[in-house]
Amino acid sequence: QSVLTQPPSVSGAPGQRVTISCTGSSSNIGAGYDVHWYQQLPGTAPKLLIYGNSNRPSGVPDRFSGSKSGTSASLAITGLQAEDEADYYCQSYDSSLSGSLFGGGTKLTV
Amino acid sequence: QVQLQQWGAGLLKPSETLSRTCAVYGGSFSGYYWSWIRQPPGKGLEWIGEINHSGSTNYNPSLKSRVTISVDTSKKQFSLKLSSVTAADTAVYYCAGGPYGIGRSFDLWGRGTLVTVST
Repeated sequence: QSVLTQPPSVSGAPGQRVTISCTGSSSNIGAGYDVHWYQQLPGTAPKLLIYGNSNRPSGVPDRFSGSKSGTSASLAITGLQAEDEADYYCQSYDSSLSGSLFGGGTKLTV
Repeated sequence: QVQLQQWGAGLLKPSETLSRTCAVYGGSFSGYYWSWIRQPPGKGLEWIGEINHSGSTNYNPSLKSRVTISVDTSKKQFSLKLSSVTAADTAVYYCAGGPYGIGRSFDLWGRGTLVTVST
């Protein structure tokens, strides 16, 4: 089954570090396909946060970082700020779908 | 700076066809794959399908029987049609764009629009 699994919620105090996991399978992350991360603030469209597993688009603070290993990927946020409170989604390609697949999303509470 | 703007009916009855069009302003059209993504209220993101400037498409298998995505390169627009809608198709619909290549990210997003299916 083509699924990317994320924890429904994570929380942290201002200044702390949190990580959000994204677990896939051999048809997506485990097959070597890139993982991308998006931040969705309330009432807005998702914004690309990390692309190609660990790359930040211009303008994204270096407090955000991504990594990938095996069938999983992680998004780390250091120096938490109130403005980081949002939903975060991972995304990858799935060979069974022949298309894109999103994780279920993680709500970050600061 | 590239901007995406979509339009279409916001309220549909069950069994009708959802139609939306997205226009791309201020940037390259042929350099991207263009997608439709939706988000039911309070839920996560679902990729619907994509098209490039040549008209090559890919669809989510779960929606493939009801979805058609088309392109008008001369107008820098792409469109979504979803037939036989039900309440389960109620969602915020986004148009988005990503670079060529397997496993592309979605770099560009339009403002989403809520489409409601209700009697």
